[in-house]
Amino acid sequence: DTAVSQTPKYLVTQMGNDKSIKCEQNLGHDTMYWYKQDSKKFLKIMFSYNNKELIINETVPNRFSPKSPDKAHLNLHINSLELGDSAVYFCASSHTDSETQYFGPGTRLLVL
Amino acid sequence: AQSVTQPDIHITVSEGASLELRCNYSYGATPYLFWYVQSPGQGLQLLLKYFSGDTLVQGIKGFEAEFKRSQSSFNLRKPSVHWSDAAEYFCAVGAESGNTPLVFGKGTRLSVIA
Repeated sequence: DTAVSQTPKYLVTQMGNDKSIKCEQNLGHDTMYWYKQDSKKFLKIMFSYNNKELIINETVPNRFSPKSPDKAHLNLHINSLELGDSAVYFCASSHTDSETQYFGPGTRLLVL
Repeated sequence: AQSVTQPDIHITVSEGASLELRCNYSYGATPYLFWYVQSPGQGLQLLLKYFSGDTLVQGIKGFEAEFKRSQSSFNLRKPSVHWSDAAEYFCAVGAESGNTPLVFGKGTRLSVIA
């Protein structure tokens, strides 16, 4: 009965590669988010989708491209990975009319 | 724009002692305030939240937090800390409307010693 799930949990890859992280929620929420947690544990919003539409796109390199095939899924594709992309990426979801966000377990990305 | 300050980067307490983690926020409208906990290698778990009403809110695992508008604070407390409480604690502020991303503080790492 997982609420917000992410795959993979760990991802180790070489610089220059392209990788994707998947997120799924079974809470019936219509808003989904991607946050990045850096090496100092600081969490910052990257993207937000509501009903499959992009509503927030913070200052993120265009190598990062989110895709929402339906309301329950928000995937993150990263092109040409760089060392600085190493971080923990968290997916979250909420109802449009609710402020409470529920987070996935995170994907730990290490770029070598 | 919203901002959150957690003044303490790292706190160490003895098991059984009381705990208070500080959080100050900056927001022009009515803040929606949250505390999340992140255990080592884990995701974020919601401890408690404040939207309106009673300024003292109870959460899971015996935690509580008090909203003080005059001080722009939302401090987290626990009367008796257990070793399993060792984790990273994040305070966050959100806006009144839904689908607004949270703004997080930089976190406070809690260590618990015997």
